[in-house]
Amino acid sequence: RKEVEQDPGPFNVPEGATVAFNCTYSNSASQSFFWYRQDCRKEPKLLMSVYSSGNEDGRFTAQLNRASQYISLLIRDSKLSDSATYLCVVTRGTGTASKLTFGTGTRLQVTL
Amino acid sequence: NAGVTQTPKFQVLKTGQSMTLQCAQDMNHEYMSWYRQDPGMGLRLIHYSVGAGITDQGEVPNGYNVSRSTTEDFPLRLLSAAPSQTSVYFCASSYGAGIYGYTFGSGTRLTVV
Repeated sequence: RKEVEQDPGPFNVPEGATVAFNCTYSNSASQSFFWYRQDCRKEPKLLMSVYSSGNEDGRFTAQLNRASQYISLLIRDSKLSDSATYLCVVTRGTGTASKLTFGTGTRLQVTL
Repeated sequence: NAGVTQTPKFQVLKTGQSMTLQCAQDMNHEYMSWYRQDPGMGLRLIHYSVGAGITDQGEVPNGYNVSRSTTEDFPLRLLSAAPSQTSVYFCASSYGAGIYGYTFGSGTRLTVV
């Protein structure tokens, strides 16, 4: 079983729709969680961290469920510019022993 | 701020050739790392460094060497290129070991023929 698993998609949604992605992780010792966005043929960019209490940044909401070991990303009122691949990232360990594991990404295509 | 700068952006090598991928950051980040990204595989860690003079292996280190003589630079050397090393390579840096989020370079697309 992969340490971090994501549905590869693609998720095809019309502009204005709400879409949600899930990511599951296998190691219960995981400590920090992130969502990155990667545009086609570009580098990944940090979208948001995911906190235990859940957090929101504009149209984006991230949530963490430690009991079920998954994180989610909700995008409301989708825009064409949201089309990208969304990478789930999980870390464990601390300081220099910290280890990041990237999911393979979920592709989102927003259409007119 | 330039952030993380990678060169070259594209490279074609013949099997057996060697080359160095350059990475430089101007954010005074202690932590730097190299990843490769292949379809369906996600980003996999090749080597990383927690500071000048300190490097360590990641998940897929075979065939690659690194050094960290300064805080700013973290070059990746391919010793004898193989077709299996065809990939997109990303350099990343961060405060701490990525727990505050990484800044990635724009990537190097390498093809080994």
